[in-house]
Amino acid sequence: AQKVTQAQTEISVVEKEDVTLDCVYETRDTTYYLFWYKQPPSGELVFLIRRNSFDEQNEISGRYSWNFQKSTSSFNFTITASQVVDSAVYFCALSEARNTDKLIFGTGTRLQVFP
Amino acid sequence: DTGVSQDPRHKITKRGQNVTFRCDPISEHNRLYWYRQTLGQGPEFLTYFQNEAQLEKSRLLSDRFSAERPKGSFSTLEIQRTEQGDSAMYLCASSFSMGELFFGEGSRLTVL
Repeated sequence: AQKVTQAQTEISVVEKEDVTLDCVYETRDTTYYLFWYKQPPSGELVFLIRRNSFDEQNEISGRYSWNFQKSTSSFNFTITASQVVDSAVYFCALSEARNTDKLIFGTGTRLQVFP
Repeated sequence: DTGVSQDPRHKITKRGQNVTFRCDPISEHNRLYWYRQTLGQGPEFLTYFQNEAQLEKSRLLSDRFSAERPKGSFSTLEIQRTEQGDSAMYLCASSFSMGELFFGEGSRLTVL
């Protein structure tokens, strides 16, 4: 069965600190996709990244970076030099090749960045 | 505004009543999704359309739930004989590219 676990319920940091959000997934498929979404206080979920299971290269986009490790079934998200605007709930999600359009979300990690 | 829009934003109803939510996706998107989110949880997949065809329906969607997308444009989600357990945020999303969903602000349902 497919499952996404985000063990960190809430993280608080002070501005400019680096923070890593953990995501562990379970799937029997060899082809699958991983995602991160951001849900700011306004409520609208925003797509951040999609990764397929064959691409283990880490990705960097500005202050955001993602570390995909198949060996540990993890897809962690790091924010460097956090800012107050990064405060949001972050969701990791998984979809399998047999049904790529059905995303299974984790329970989310609430990040609070204090000035 | 060219994003995904949902209506109404908030609906309060009594147990046993029927409710209908509407979603207008981004116009060039052929995929449309409905998710449900309860407090402290991630979105749960309900159903998905490609154009007007409903291709997948979650087991979460009981017989009281029905979704349509006539002509592959807007979509409606109807809940009949609402129960208190139906109270949640109902999220609509659309996409053109697999997994890159554009979400609306959601329709919050409160069943008294």
